[in-house]
Amino acid sequence: EVQLVESGGGLVQPGGSLGLSCAASGFTFSDHYMDWVRQTPGKGLEWVGRIRNKANIYTTEYAASVRDRFTISRDDSKNSLYLQMNSLKTDDTAVYYCARVADTIWSRTVDDYWGQGALVTVSS
Amino acid sequence: DIQLTQSPSFLSASIGDRVTITCRASQGISNYLAWYQQIPGKAPKLLIYAASTLQSGVPSRFSGSGSGTEFTLTISSLQPEDFATYYCQQHNDYPLTFGGGTKVEIK
Repeated sequence: EVQLVESGGGLVQPGGSLGLSCAASGFTFSDHYMDWVRQTPGKGLEWVGRIRNKANIYTTEYAASVRDRFTISRDDSKNSLYLQMNSLKTDDTAVYYCARVADTIWSRTVDDYWGQGALVTVSS
Repeated sequence: DIQLTQSPSFLSASIGDRVTITCRASQGISNYLAWYQQIPGKAPKLLIYAASTLQSGVPSRFSGSGSGTEFTLTISSLQPEDFATYYCQQHNDYPLTFGGGTKVEIK
């Protein structure tokens, strides 16, 4: 059974930093691209970024709103995905989901499994 | 960035109703469109990808169609477990973007 479990959420002051982790199990983690997606309270979904697999040299893509502040990384030996968030703003307050990208074939580069989410609150 | 506009943003329907949700893209995205269902307090669930391909395990009452800039999600006969919010997402180009959502409530 595919499982994704986020951890590391919490309260942080504006300008601060926070790191999220996502532990993956039930599939060959190293084969898959992985995404981070966030959802502001009571609002819609925003794609945060993506990290590709080793075969694609772990390249990353980011939303403009987080580029240069957030960094996505992974450790295939630990089946883990990470999101390092710096220079946090109140607008970054959201539930952060990690998600597995179904396939590297472009027609299937969609998120087929999601974690339960981790709440990040940026407030003074 | 590619903007996705969903309509309606809210709809009220009865069990057994046929429901159609539309997603319009600000530029052509071929068929690189997915639909997700989100029940309150839960993570989104993939329903359809490549505009019309049903994800494994998703009931056949869900269907998708469209290409280019206009897409639809249809629920042929609404069931109690279908009351949720539905989002479209384009994966034609980065940044990936979502529509604003359509909340389906019980009439």
